Amino acid sequence: GIQVEQSPPDLILQEGANSTLRCNFSDSVNNLQWFHQNPWGQLINLFYIPSGTKQNGRLSATTVATERYSLLYISSSQTTDSGVYFCAVEQQGGSEKLVFGKGTKLTVNP
Amino acid sequence: DTAVSQTPKYLVTQMGNDKSIKCEQNLGHDTMYWYKQDSKKFLKIMFSYNNKELIINETVPNRFSPKSPDKAHLNLHINSLELGDSAVYFCASSPRTGGVDEQYFGPGTRLTVT
Repeated sequence: GIQVEQSPPDLILQEGANSTLRCNFSDSVNNLQWFHQNPWGQLINLFYIPSGTKQNGRLSATTVATERYSLLYISSSQTTDSGVYFCAVEQQGGSEKLVFGKGTKLTVNP
Repeated sequence: DTAVSQTPKYLVTQMGNDKSIKCEQNLGHDTMYWYKQDSKKFLKIMFSYNNKELIINETVPNRFSPKSPDKAHLNLHINSLELGDSAVYFCASSPRTGGVDEQYFGPGTRLTVT
């Protein structure tokens, strides 16, 4: 099956700093999604981004499907950005399921 | 207005017991899922249903039996609970039939088996 690798596994920032999270995947995908799991456990869908670039406020994401990676950018980080960020992909060929990476744990200190 | 809801939020039980977790979505979505998140935060799909029909059963033990009475509900029944079943179980839904669309997650049910 498809492999999804996220880096870095852990990231500690001061409030106001910018960061880039990376997701590499081992095969072609139909779609790719980024999720944020906050410290209370809630999973929120950030982006549905099989290719191209999208922006939502301080967050943006870029997927280069031909090179099998996606990047999540967080600018001017806030303490509320803390949590775990997951990348998940659906392998091309109609697997009809998302395979998740192990996540990047982000801690933003005041 | 809760989009995807799960009950209960916490479940503490002893080995060998049988328990159920309920999930409901009011988004009008066609597809619903159960995921398991282990102690290392790894998320893995267990089942998916589309319009009450089982689509994916990801080699989950027979002790786990999902039931979808209608497309807005997907319940999970677990027989003969084991210590290794302790985890957070998430229900999710997505709008599209065929392929995976944007997924919306419930708040999770933390199951602890003692």
